Amino acid sequence: DGGITQSPKYLFRKEGQNVTLSCEQNLNHDAMYWYRQDPGQGLRLIYYSQIVNDFQKGDIAEGYSVSREKKESFPLTVTSAQKNPTAFYLCASSIRRGEGEAFFGQGTRLTVV
Amino acid sequence: QQQVKQSPQSLIVQKGGISIINCAYENTAFDYFPWYQQFPGKGPALLIAIRPDVSEKKEGRFTISFNKSAKQFSLHIMDSQPGDSATYFCAAAPSGNTPLVFGKGTRLSVIA
Repeated sequence: DGGITQSPKYLFRKEGQNVTLSCEQNLNHDAMYWYRQDPGQGLRLIYYSQIVNDFQKGDIAEGYSVSREKKESFPLTVTSAQKNPTAFYLCASSIRRGEGEAFFGQGTRLTVV
Repeated sequence: QQQVKQSPQSLIVQKGGISIINCAYENTAFDYFPWYQQFPGKGPALLIAIRPDVSEKKEGRFTISFNKSAKQFSLHIMDSQPGDSATYFCAAAPSGNTPLVFGKGTRLSVIA
């Protein structure tokens, strides 16, 4: 089955630690995205990538980093510089940037303890 | 310019009633307007989408109405059912330029 897999589903992090969220897709999509979801805030774009080895900052990139070494993988690192990292993180992909349906993963809920 | 404003924040509808969610945008370069449905703890899934060359699109009980001159679009859910209870997001994007911009969401509760 084609789709987007995010792991883990739940993640706990101590303050001051970096943590990496995994996102893998087997849809052969060029574009991949990371969104952050907070209650009442909708989905806010963190980073996006339209091609391997290229990525762009979104609206709230501070405290986050990404890589795109393979077409199917787009991991997100939440660094200790992110002041309020507790949130629901969603990865998505589409055939090309801004075109057609964006498919979402099931999300990772990150909690800072 | 990049914002999509969605209302209401929450909505309670009787079973069998019509649910209406509205969105407005400013950026005239937007030309793709999808609606996503999200259940708790899950990722959003595409429900229905429209491009500005049509004023209405219907898929089953779900209809998008689009008013290009007013820069507004809305989702109508006919014969609302308890299983429709979810959070709905409108979104917009200019073709081939930037990722989707999402509204803040509407939490719909359909009560029997």
